[in-house]
Order: sequence, then structure tokens, then C-alpha cells
Amino acid sequence: DAGVTQSPTHLIKTRGQQVTLRCSPKSGHDTVSWYQQALGQGPQFIFQYYEEEERQRGNFPDRFSGHQFPNYSSELNVNALLLGDSALYLCASSLGLAGASRNEQYFGPGTRLTVT
Amino acid sequence: AQSVTQLGSHVSVSEGALVLLRCNYSSSVPPYLFWYVQYPNQGLQLLLKYTSAATLVKGINGFEAEFKKSETSFHLTKPSAHMSDAAEYFCAVSDRGSTLGRLYFGRGTQLTVWP
Repeated sequence: DAGVTQSPTHLIKTRGQQVTLRCSPKSGHDTVSWYQQALGQGPQFIFQYYEEEERQRGNFPDRFSGHQFPNYSSELNVNALLLGDSALYLCASSLGLAGASRNEQYFGPGTRLTVT
Repeated sequence: AQSVTQLGSHVSVSEGALVLLRCNYSSSVPPYLFWYVQYPNQGLQLLLKYTSAATLVKGINGFEAEFKKSETSFHLTKPSAHMSDAAEYFCAVSDRGSTLGRLYFGRGTQLTVWP
């Protein structure tokens, strides 16, 4: 049973460029959340997708957008990259609906984004 | 919004010593509580979680945590540290009753284990 997978593992981009990160959830999971982990910080919630819709959003600008596909996989897009967007981007999957807040979120290994 | 405080960004212990990592939350309504571990260049792995009932929660790798409502705390302990425990530890909470379970994380505590 595959866990959460993310691609690519590492990415280097230049300021102003756009980037797309990908995530496949754990088998049987229908909810995908994205977190940004800056160096030396705890993960910060970006947004969450369920039934192909953005259900919750953290305090991130509109430059951060996402998508969830019918097979529950997800993409995170960041436009107009800034140096401050350099971070580890973590994808987590879980089961939605009632009781979701007590359910474990399974994290992928992350994508390390470096903006130069 | 929830707030999580982890006291001590770095904790160092000798192998075999007690490990104590501190976590306090801010909500007046006890949330669901989680401890995650992160090894270098890896994602987060769940150690244990508190959702209801027993206030002493046992997790993987010999870790346990006690929920104390009066202190709004959920400290992580392990009786005897092992070299393999060296990692970053994150306390996280989610709102009880929330439909989709957003996690709020603390800033993390780096655990170093000396031989």
C-alpha cells in the first residue's frame, strides 16, 4: 500500500517564475492538504481540497492555488515566485467527512523548493 | 485560530535519559492533539494522538504523552532516550468537531541525543 507520494523531490526556480508541485494521496484517502515548512519553522497550512474543491485556506496570498483531480491527487501552483517562497512543501492526505479532525493526516516526503 | 507553543527549540539528553518535550495549546475547548516526528530530509510521521477518553496516550517507539486540561498541555515523554530518537518533534492540534481537520503546528523542538 503506497503512502503519500510527492513530485518532484527538489526544485530550483528563479524569482518571478511559476511552479507546480504534485501529490498523490494514500490509498483510500479523499482529502489532500498542503503545508509550507520554512527552514526552522513548523508547517503552515496553505489549503485543503475535498471533492475537487478548496474547502479551507490558510493565510496565503492568491499566488498560491491548487487543484484536486477525480482520482484525489492534487497540484499546488505558485505564481510570481518570491525568495520567501523557498521552503519544504508538504502534502498530507486524510479521510474527510465527519470525524475528520481526529483522523490522522499522512504526510508525504515533501518537495524542497529553492527560489533564487 | 488555534495556537500551539513548544517550549524549548532545542533539547539535549544523554542516551538512556528521560526525554521531555513540552507543548501547550491555547484553545478554551480542548482540541485534538498530535505529536509528529520529522527525520532529516523526510516528511512527518505520527507518533501519537489524543482524541478523547484516556488522558495518557501511548505511541510508537516508546513515546507517550499526557493530556492535562487544567494546564492546557500535552507534553511528550520517553523514559529512556535512544540515539535513533534524534529528530525534530512537532506538536499539532486540530479543532474538535471540524469537518476537515486542519492542523496547527508548533515551531518544533530539535532533540539531540548524546552517547
